[in-house]
Amino acid sequence: SAVISQKPSRDICQRGTSLTIQCQVDSQVTMMFWYRQQPGQSLTLIATANQGSEATYESGFVIDKFPISRPNLTFSTLTVSNMSPEDSSIYLCSVGHRAPRHNEQFFGPGTRLTVL
Amino acid sequence: KNEVEQSPQNLTAQEGEFITINCSYSVGISALHWLQQHPGGGIVSLFMLSSGKKKHGRLIATINIQEKHSSLHITASHPRDSAVYICAVSPPSNFGNEKLTFGTGTRLTIIP
Repeated sequence: SAVISQKPSRDICQRGTSLTIQCQVDSQVTMMFWYRQQPGQSLTLIATANQGSEATYESGFVIDKFPISRPNLTFSTLTVSNMSPEDSSIYLCSVGHRAPRHNEQFFGPGTRLTVL
Repeated sequence: KNEVEQSPQNLTAQEGEFITINCSYSVGISALHWLQQHPGGGIVSLFMLSSGKKKHGRLIATINIQEKHSSLHITASHPRDSAVYICAVSPPSNFGNEKLTFGTGTRLTIIP
């Protein structure tokens, strides 16, 4: 298994500002994912963070709004830019490996973001 | 694209009751995950299974591959079991397609 930490655990931000969320894992992993969970909804994949290259974004998510960095195999950041109240969500980092080990996926504790 | 459905959406029970949460999916998978989300938002992986049955303490997970259905059971439920339980499936083992598909979750409340 992998132990994942996220910072901050929660934050309250003003409209128009940006917040960077950090994800740290205790071992090297191939894949890191960023999810958003809006109130009352299930998890939605934002992007896959790729080490050494640009993240791969899902439909409906763009790099200008959610820039992602992944400088090495144990760390990634997600920035929520120019925030609005609609960005109020839980943001989760998860880690895993490529197929055929892709079934092993572990989740972080999440960052609860409230935008006023 | 796999469709994952969970039932019920909400479940309230008395402490000590036997709990069953169901998950159905539409196309073949390589594994099914049961996840527990605490009120603070963090997610814990309870089970990953591709066939048969697994047991951990008071929790039991079963899967029927032919029927594309899985159940999560909780015996002797306790208020600390109150959480959202999420079913997620892994696609068949294709390189470059490692993404999970999630159900909408079941909110379980156990009353003392």
